[in-house]
Parts: sequence; structure tokens; C-alpha cells
Amino acid sequence: QQQVKQSPQSLIVQKGGISIINCAYENTAFDYFPWYQQFPGKGPALLIAIRPDVSEKKEGRFTISFNKSAKQFSLHIMDSQPGDSATYFCAASGNQFYFGTGTSLTVIP
Amino acid sequence: SQTIHQWPATLVQPVGSPLSLECTVEGTSNPNLYWYRQAAGRGLQLLFYSVGIGQISSEVPQNLSASRPQDRQFILSSKKLLLSDSGFYLCAWSTSWISYEQYFGPGTRLTVT
Repeated sequence: QQQVKQSPQSLIVQKGGISIINCAYENTAFDYFPWYQQFPGKGPALLIAIRPDVSEKKEGRFTISFNKSAKQFSLHIMDSQPGDSATYFCAASGNQFYFGTGTSLTVIP
Repeated sequence: SQTIHQWPATLVQPVGSPLSLECTVEGTSNPNLYWYRQAAGRGLQLLFYSVGIGQISSEVPQNLSASRPQDRQFILSSKKLLLSDSGFYLCAWSTSWISYEQYFGPGTRLTVT
């Protein structure tokens, strides 16, 4: 059973647009929600993370929105750039660590 | 600072041949170590994890095995590779089992022919 459900599987956005990736979870024991960015042929790298006691965290063009009651969280990439083209994984951590299935983002010029 | 190394970076092996992939971590002690496999265009599948020397837990029954002969060394092995073993193998470490972050190595691309 997939502990963290991620959507969409792939996403195409115009340069300058907003990219939005969504994740949902069921286990209320999760208390940390990181996002990873993976470029082709490379290992995933930690991008940004949030704890459930805040509803939003922003770092540059990347923002995590967190809805504790709905058990959902999302990554927003503002002013998306071609260099943002990568696969993004959400994750949830509590007594164990679980990854979402990944979203392949393509930003077209 | 901590760094994680994997080698080789790429590997092409025939079906039925043995496999040994190595992962080492620098700059930290007693890390938790993980092996993941990523098929083309797919997510991350946890294969093995280790909380200490000689302590290996398997998440998925398969043709692969793992060993941790030293504190910061993690090895993924197979006696006889299958075509289905092809993929991108990633090693990761964390400071504890209930850790808020995992840090990944550069990966090994394995092609079984």
C-alpha cells in the first residue's frame, strides 16, 4: 500500500508559469514532510521540507503548502524555469520514511 | 561535511554474472544506510537498510543481498544477475532510523544484457 500518494505523474509547464505537485497521506504519525529534486542520472537531493505545525514554508521560488486536516501537502514552483525540469519526490517521515512515486516536471521555454 | 560515494557509476553485466556495488559515507559515524532501486521513469524502491555493522533488513524479496562490513560501508551484491535487475541503484544515509532527512549518493546505472 502506497503510504504517500503523489500526483500528477508528469507535468509540463511554460517558462514563467507555476508548477504544482500534490501529495496525500493517511498516517497521522508522520511529522516531517520533505521534497526531493532529482535530475537525470543523479541522486535525489533535499529541496525543502515542512513540519505539520506550519501551513506554509517558502524558500526562494519554492513553497510548500500543508493542510493538516486534509492530510495533504503540495509543492509550488513559482516562475518555473527550464532548469527546474527534473523529477520531484515528496516524502513523509515518522516512525518510517516513505517516498511518493515522483513527478516528472518539464518546463518548456 | 558529510559525503557519500558510490561506485561504479555505470555497469553493464551479462545475465547470470555476479554483482557488487559499493557505497561509502564520510564525515559521520554510525549512519543508517539504505539501498534503493529506481527503474526507468519510476519511483524509489527501498531494497535494504542497515542500522549498524552486520545488521541488514530486507524490504523486498529478490535476487539481491546486502552487507555492511564496516560502519560506513554498504555493499549490494548478487550471485546471478537477472534482466529485471537493471536499473539505477541509489545508496542513501541518515543520522538515525527515525530521521527527518535521507541523503543520497550519485547512483550506479546497472544494465543487465
